[in-house]
Amino acid sequence: GAVVSQHPSWVICKSGTSVKIECRSLDFQATTMFWYRQFPKQSLMLMATSNEGSKATYEQGVEKDKFLINHASLTLSTLTVTSAHPEDSSFYICSARESTSGDPMKQYFGPGTRLTVT
Amino acid sequence: GQQLNQSPQSMFIQEGEDVSMNCTSSSIFNTWLWYKQDPGEGPVLLIALYKAGELTSNGRLTAQFGITRKDSFLNISASIPSDVGIYFCAGRTGANNLFFGTGTRLTVIP
Repeated sequence: GAVVSQHPSWVICKSGTSVKIECRSLDFQATTMFWYRQFPKQSLMLMATSNEGSKATYEQGVEKDKFLINHASLTLSTLTVTSAHPEDSSFYICSARESTSGDPMKQYFGPGTRLTVT
Repeated sequence: GQQLNQSPQSMFIQEGEDVSMNCTSSSIFNTWLWYKQDPGEGPVLLIALYKAGELTSNGRLTAQFGITRKDSFLNISASIPSDVGIYFCAGRTGANNLFFGTGTRLTVIP
């Protein structure tokens, strides 16, 4: 099946610094990518949806100036957590949807990135 | 956002037993999905349901799309140790709007 990778798989950073997380679709083109956040023992919450070449659409309550999303190509989206604080510590998961298909069978999740802010 | 409640929150079962879990919502969804998430990994799609009343199987897994379009259940037959994980339902209203349930943590005792 299709593969979505994330890098890094885990990162520890100091409070006030910025962290960039990459999400790549390895064997397909992803017109749309999604970023989710998952706190321990909780569900996945959609943060934002990004279409290649367009500005991301953020869910209510998600600060767009704090969570910068860039979807510069059909295979790469990045999430930058700016001025990170301990409460930003979470598991960040990206998802990529193949081409223009709305079929959920064509939406694949990455393995996640665990961010710890000290 | 939409609230999808799953029950039970957690289950401890013996290997070989059947498992049943369900998901309910106050909202109507056009598509119901079931995912499995292993620790430290992203979710993997198990079954997708597209029509009210639809019953779909994938190996030992069977899921149904409730006729009210506000609920779904997932059954796992003859559980095995590798079934351990967290199972999430997810409902979709439009092309991009995918809302996840609260999760059911399954432990299988060999």
